Amino acid sequence: QQQVKQSPQSLIVQKGGISIINCAYENTAFDYFPWYQQFPGKGPALLIAIRPDVSEKKEGRFTISFNKSAKQFSLHIMDSQPGDSATYFCAASEETSGSRLTFGEGTQLTVNP
Amino acid sequence: ETGVTQSPTHLIKTRGQQVTLRCSSQSGHNTVSWYQQALGQGPQFIFQYYREEENGRGNFPPRFSGLQFPNYSSELNVNALELDDSALYLCASTLGQGDEQFFGPGTRLTVL
Repeated sequence: QQQVKQSPQSLIVQKGGISIINCAYENTAFDYFPWYQQFPGKGPALLIAIRPDVSEKKEGRFTISFNKSAKQFSLHIMDSQPGDSATYFCAASEETSGSRLTFGEGTQLTVNP
Repeated sequence: ETGVTQSPTHLIKTRGQQVTLRCSSQSGHNTVSWYQQALGQGPQFIFQYYREEENGRGNFPPRFSGLQFPNYSSELNVNALELDDSALYLCASTLGQGDEQFFGPGTRLTVL
């Protein structure tokens, strides 16, 4: 059962451009929405996370936008750099399940120099 | 402070065999979760251990089992291996029931 849907599957942007990755969820009990970055041969690393009580969170070049009514959230990477080339996963969890994460299927981002 | 470590890095087994994967959690973390990541897909939750007790399980058959030890390290055991078990197995540790999970580099299991 796919509870978190992520798009696009792959994304190519030019250096300095904006990368946008979208996720939609079904379970209204989800209350924590992290984004993970994964490089080849490595485990996922937490990039930024948001809770439903805010609509936007920004950390450096990374911003999460959250739309509770639409059950959607997105990651924006400003001034994309070649070093940002990686696979990005959105995820969600609910407090009652502890820290059990439900992941999207991932977006492979390539930033061309 | 050491991060999450996993062993071995790679493993090749044949169908029907059994395998044990190991994880050392980040210092002070008492909750460990295991995930299976098939090629080109997002990680899928297998189960979680909190203070040596199973604390939630995903949609995986009983031949996937685990243990957590008093030092909070953990093992994932898979019996009767199937070809579809080929994947990257990730361990993640958390402090208590907190949200932020720290992932290890994973163990790449290939079943022939």
